[in-house]
Amino acid sequence: QLQLQESGPGLVKPSETLSLTCPVSGDSISRSNFYWGWIRQPPGKGMEYIGTVYYSGSTYYNPSLTSRVTISVDTSKNHLSLKLHSVTVADTAVYYCARLPQQPTIDGPRGYFDYWGQGILVTVSS
Amino acid sequence: DIQMTQSPSSLSASVGDTVTITCQASQDIYNYLNWYQQKPGKAPKLLIYDALNLEAGIPSRFSGGRSGTHFTLTIRSLQPEDIATYFCQQFESLPLTFGGGTKVEV
Repeated sequence: QLQLQESGPGLVKPSETLSLTCPVSGDSISRSNFYWGWIRQPPGKGMEYIGTVYYSGSTYYNPSLTSRVTISVDTSKNHLSLKLHSVTVADTAVYYCARLPQQPTIDGPRGYFDYWGQGILVTVSS
Repeated sequence: DIQMTQSPSSLSASVGDTVTITCQASQDIYNYLNWYQQKPGKAPKLLIYDALNLEAGIPSRFSGGRSGTHFTLTIRSLQPEDIATYFCQQFESLPLTFGGGTKVEV
């Protein structure tokens, strides 16, 4: 059974970098035809797509965050990572990692997320 | 970005009721829509993909529908374990976008 679990600090100061990892167990992150993504949910609001990465390192980011976000995979550790730079209080949210099964195409990572982590609350506050 | 307007934001129903949740897309997204269930403190779970298709292992009382840009998630004979928040997600174009969620209470 595939399992994902977000980990990282629960509190980040404004202007600093939010860093999260998501170890994947039960399967290899290097399997072809799967993207891996990050989604967040601010308190009281809907989900917001952050971006996705393929094991080759190819990425797609939400244009609203692209200037501040970096998503990567470490195939040796079988995990994906998220870095969000220059955070503000508006970045306070529950952050989720998830898998998106899809063969890479010219259209990019479009489809459903079939496995999700439980989420981690990250609060931005001084 | 494609906007997904979900309604209602919350509803109260009784065990055995039929419940319908809707998502309205801001443009044609064909059948490129998924539905998820989320319980407090748990990982979201995929229920319906491609608007109409039931994910493996999901009870048949869940069903998806589409009329143009209007999508529905129907739960027939609501069960206590269906108490959760439900949300939709479109994948017709990037960035992927989500509805605001519907909290179902008994």
